[in-house]
Amino acid sequence: GQQLNQSPQSMFIQEGEDVSMNCTSSSIFNTWLWYKQEPGEGPVLLIALYKAGELTSNGRLTAQFGITRKDSFLNISASIPSDVGIYFCAGQVNTGGFKTIFGAGTRLFVKA
Amino acid sequence: DSGVTQTPKHLITATGQRVTLRCSPRSGDLSVYWYQQSLDQGLQFLIQYYNGEERAKGNILERFSAQQFPDLHSELNLSSLELGDSALYFCASSPPRGSTDTQYFGPGTRLTVL
Repeated sequence: GQQLNQSPQSMFIQEGEDVSMNCTSSSIFNTWLWYKQEPGEGPVLLIALYKAGELTSNGRLTAQFGITRKDSFLNISASIPSDVGIYFCAGQVNTGGFKTIFGAGTRLFVKA
Repeated sequence: DSGVTQTPKHLITATGQRVTLRCSPRSGDLSVYWYQQSLDQGLQFLIQYYNGEERAKGNILERFSAQQFPDLHSELNLSSLELGDSALYFCASSPPRGSTDTQYFGPGTRLTVL
């Protein structure tokens, strides 16, 4: 079945550093979604990507929908302590019904 | 605030018991999804309802069941609870049929089985 490989599993960085994480798959997706989850909270949608090659920003966050439609990356620039959390990617296909696959998450730790 | 509400926020119960988790989707959303997240794990899809009908099933145990009511709120029923059922349970909703199915998550219910 379809699977997403999200990497890295965790990152320990210094405040002010840039961060990059990605998701890859052997399958093609129609939509890529990036969520952030803080401890004890529900995932919050950060960025949605709908077209291959699309590059979208949300403040210090930038995400791209890969040209092959099999991957996506999320970059965070100038990280701050409140960026701490788990970042999930999700790929979606529409084959008469929507199917959404979530990655395992990237745990981000930011040291002030 | 995503607009998706879940109650209760916390639930502590004993093994063998039965509990009901409730979810109200965002206004206008017809789809409701249920996910389970165990400690330090990813999101495990359980089940989806669309406008009152079951649409998709994931890794949902037979001891678990769900339904979506005419007012579109949904309930997840967990019975014969085991210690391993302790987890965060999230509900998500998405807008009516369109070209995408972006899901918006509620704050979750933390279930502790003692």
